[in-house]
Amino acid sequence: QKEVEQNSGPLSVPEGAIASLNCTYSDRGSQSFFWYRQYSGKSPELIMSIYSNGDKEDGRFTAQLNKASQYVSLLIRDSQPSDSATYLCAVNPGTASKLTFGTGTRLQVTL
Amino acid sequence: NAGVMQNPRHLVRRRGQEARLRCSPMKGHSHVYWYRQLPEEGLKFMVYLQKENIIDESGMPKERFSAEFPKEGPSILRIQQVVRGDSAAYFCASSPGFQLEQYFGPGTRLTVT
Repeated sequence: QKEVEQNSGPLSVPEGAIASLNCTYSDRGSQSFFWYRQYSGKSPELIMSIYSNGDKEDGRFTAQLNKASQYVSLLIRDSQPSDSATYLCAVNPGTASKLTFGTGTRLQVTL
Repeated sequence: NAGVMQNPRHLVRRRGQEARLRCSPMKGHSHVYWYRQLPEEGLKFMVYLQKENIIDESGMPKERFSAEFPKEGPSILRIQQVVRGDSAAYFCASSPGFQLEQYFGPGTRLTVT
C-alpha cells in the first residue's frame, strides 16, 4: 500500500464547475496535510494546509480532512482554465517533519 | 523577492563530475528540506536541515550525496561523481517551523550527460 494515494487522472471538468480531488494516507499518526499545485516544468505551489478534522476554506478552495477515514480532499469551486495543473497531496507522517507526496492528480478544466 | 531561492536553475554535468546545488530559505525560515523529482515520478524527500544540523537524512542515497546548512550562507546539496540516474529536478523548500507549511523554490534541473 502506498503511503499517500491519489487518482492520477486526468480529471476533466468544465469551466465554472466544482473539481473534487481526493487523497488517502496510510499513517494514522499523521498530523499535518497539504495540497500543492504544480504546473508542468514548475515547482510545487502551496494552496492549502489543514491540521484538524473538518473543512477549511480559502477563496475558491476548500480542504476537507477526516482522520478516522484517513482521507483528505480538495474542492475547487468555479473552476477556471488556469486551474489546469497537477495537484499534489502531501502528508507529514507521524512525528517526522518531512512531506510524503502522492503522485498527483492531473486536472483539466475545459472551456 | 522574499521567496525561496535556488541556483543554478539549470545545471549540466558530465558523468563523474560533481554537482553543487544551492538554496536560500525564505526570510525568517530556519528549516530547509531537499526533495528530488525524477522524470514522470513523484516528489521524494531527501534531507531536512536546520542551521549547522542535519535533522533527518533518511531519504538521502547512502553514497555520493551530502547536504549542509552552514551558520552563514545557503544550504548546499552536493552530488559527487554524478551518474545519468541523478538527472532530475531538485527542489528546496523552507518552513518556519516543525511540521508547518513548506514553501518550495523554483528548483534546479540537473542533466547528466
